[in-house]
Amino acid sequence: SQELEQSPQSLIVQEGKNLTINCTSSKTLYGLYWYKQKYGEGLIFLMMLQKGGEEKSHEKITAKLDEKKQQSSLHITASQPSHAGIYLCGAVFTVPSGGYQKVTFGTGTKLQVIP
Amino acid sequence: SAVISQKPSRDICQRGTSLTIQCQVDSQVTMMFWYRQQPGQSLTLIATANQGSEATYESGFVIDKFPISRPNLTFSTLTVSNMSPEDSSIYLCSVGTGQPFSGANVLTFGAGSRLTVL
Repeated sequence: SQELEQSPQSLIVQEGKNLTINCTSSKTLYGLYWYKQKYGEGLIFLMMLQKGGEEKSHEKITAKLDEKKQQSSLHITASQPSHAGIYLCGAVFTVPSGGYQKVTFGTGTKLQVIP
Repeated sequence: SAVISQKPSRDICQRGTSLTIQCQVDSQVTMMFWYRQQPGQSLTLIATANQGSEATYESGFVIDKFPISRPNLTFSTLTVSNMSPEDSSIYLCSVGTGQPFSGANVLTFGAGSRLTVL
């Protein structure tokens, strides 16, 4: 099974609706990234979380990391068409050393927002 | 955070040929990372390129297939050698500045190079 599972795989929501994407790990994380991927634009950094229970917000997006550091959620409030894209969580399982970090990415959640 | 330029953005290649992807960063960075994203799949780390030393490859990836150069602190290349259709993927380089998860450090990605092998 995958080390990192994302759900749902895809999501279609009406503009203005709230939504949540989950990222679940089979083992304790050292830290976690959330990225958004749009065609031709690479990965756009959203948040990084490292402490158990941590929560961060930017504009209408909130990301949380649970106390056990095995699950994270990304919540979008009042979704807009500009939120459409593929959302990826990326986990670091081992303590980074000398700048090296291996990020294991989830399978991604494709979000469509219907105007 | 760093700004990364990747070339080419896309290419169509013939089976058996090799292609070199370039990654240019607007600031000096110690480590550069190369990822592969196969169609419909997530990203997988290929190798880490540290300036002045041999690249470190992840399990399942070998230097003969994916040779990497890192001539200075702002530039790296990844070559995909002897390509087959299974190599059709998006290849992305990324850099992180400073200690991961410390302060404002962010792992930044280039826009990717989309390769199609016929």
